Amino acid sequence: EIVLTQSPGTLSLSPGERATLSCRASQSVSSTYLAWYQQKPGQAPRLLIYGASSRATGIPDRFGGSGSGTDFTLTISRLEPEDFAVYYCQQYGSAPWTFGQGTKVEIK
Amino acid sequence: QVQLVQSGAEVKKPGASVKVSCKASGYTFTSYYLHWVRQAPGQGLEWVGIINPSTGSTTYARKFQGRVTMTRDTSTSTVYMELSSLRSEDTAVYYCARAPTVNYYFDYWGQGTLVTVSS
Repeated sequence: EIVLTQSPGTLSLSPGERATLSCRASQSVSSTYLAWYQQKPGQAPRLLIYGASSRATGIPDRFGGSGSGTDFTLTISRLEPEDFAVYYCQQYGSAPWTFGQGTKVEIK
Repeated sequence: QVQLVQSGAEVKKPGASVKVSCKASGYTFTSYYLHWVRQAPGQGLEWVGIINPSTGSTTYARKFQGRVTMTRDTSTSTVYMELSSLRSEDTAVYYCARAPTVNYYFDYWGQGTLVTVSS
């Protein structure tokens, strides 16, 4: 099973600042099979990024993904008020599909 | 538009079973896989299993094997997840989520179903 470890656990930032979230895998993950999701309280997760760097439909370009092998990054270039949420990485290349434990981006 | 609409909240006693449904609309039901993912209160996301609505074939997370059964009804475009021998640790929101093929991201999610296990 591929274990995904996200850091930091919580990121305290102000609107307009840049957010950098990390996802590290216990073994190499093809970049084809790495996704990022956003989840707000009381809501289902929403797909942001797939294939490590491709934005899902309707996702603003302030969200960007990068990385390969075991290290992946989600960057939010300038935080908007609606971006404060929890973010999860996921690998979907092999069963069992696994998620990181999440990074909470909170308002400072 | 694509929609995955799940059944309502459930309260069950330890040892009981629960069956949660996920009704799909807005796309060809048999052309997409459906996963089940759960989230315990204040916790992260945990993959439970996957069903191929076309064939009915399933794969379950090792943790749930023997306790979970996923089925589908193509006449109503609905998938079901039944979890048996419930314990308090099964208290969670259960989500269904769609994926175009086996090795694919989850592009649409249901609204979630809260299952509470309490004596």
